Amino acid sequence: GIQVEQSPPDLILQEGANSTLRCNFSDSVNNLQWFHQNPWGQLINLFYIPSGTKQNGRLSATTVATERYSLLYISSSQTTDSGVYFCAVAEWGGGNQFYFGTGTSLTVIP
Amino acid sequence: DVKVTQSSRYLVKRTGEKVFLECVQDMDHENMFWYRQDPGLGLRLIYFSYDVKMKEKGDIPEGYSVSREKKERFSLILESASTNQTSMYLCASSLAQGNSPLHFGNGTRLTVT
Repeated sequence: GIQVEQSPPDLILQEGANSTLRCNFSDSVNNLQWFHQNPWGQLINLFYIPSGTKQNGRLSATTVATERYSLLYISSSQTTDSGVYFCAVAEWGGGNQFYFGTGTSLTVIP
Repeated sequence: DVKVTQSSRYLVKRTGEKVFLECVQDMDHENMFWYRQDPGLGLRLIYFSYDVKMKEKGDIPEGYSVSREKKERFSLILESASTNQTSMYLCASSLAQGNSPLHFGNGTRLTVT
């Protein structure tokens, strides 16, 4: 299966700061998603982004499929952004199996 | 909005018990998945199903079985629960197309004593 690596593993930010989370993957993919897991364990789909750039409010994501990485940008961070961010990919011709990274744990302090 | 509902938020069972975790989705999704999540290991796929009565093993199927008798329902079964199956269990669903988003339930935190 595809190897997915996320960095950094942990991040502590002051409220209002910006951050960039990275996801590297080892093979071609036809599906890449970013998720936020809140402190109650709920996984929320942030972006479906196998290529290109998308923005949703203070969050944006860019995937460069040819170089096998994706970036999640968080601007003007808020305490509610705290939680774990996961990247998940599915490979071409690999059916519907998703491979997850081990996540980036973000803590935003007031 | 897609809704994926897991029957229990918290569950405590004894070693050796047979445990059923239920998941229901309301968007007519073909694909359904069961993951477990453990600290430092991320999410690992146990089983998935792409159609009624169809199932495929994921990365860690040992000690688990699944059932999909209806399209909207996917059950995870622990035949004889063990303490190393204490974990967070997450159900997800998606459309059949490979470029479809994955939608998760709220998770079931299972403790086996």
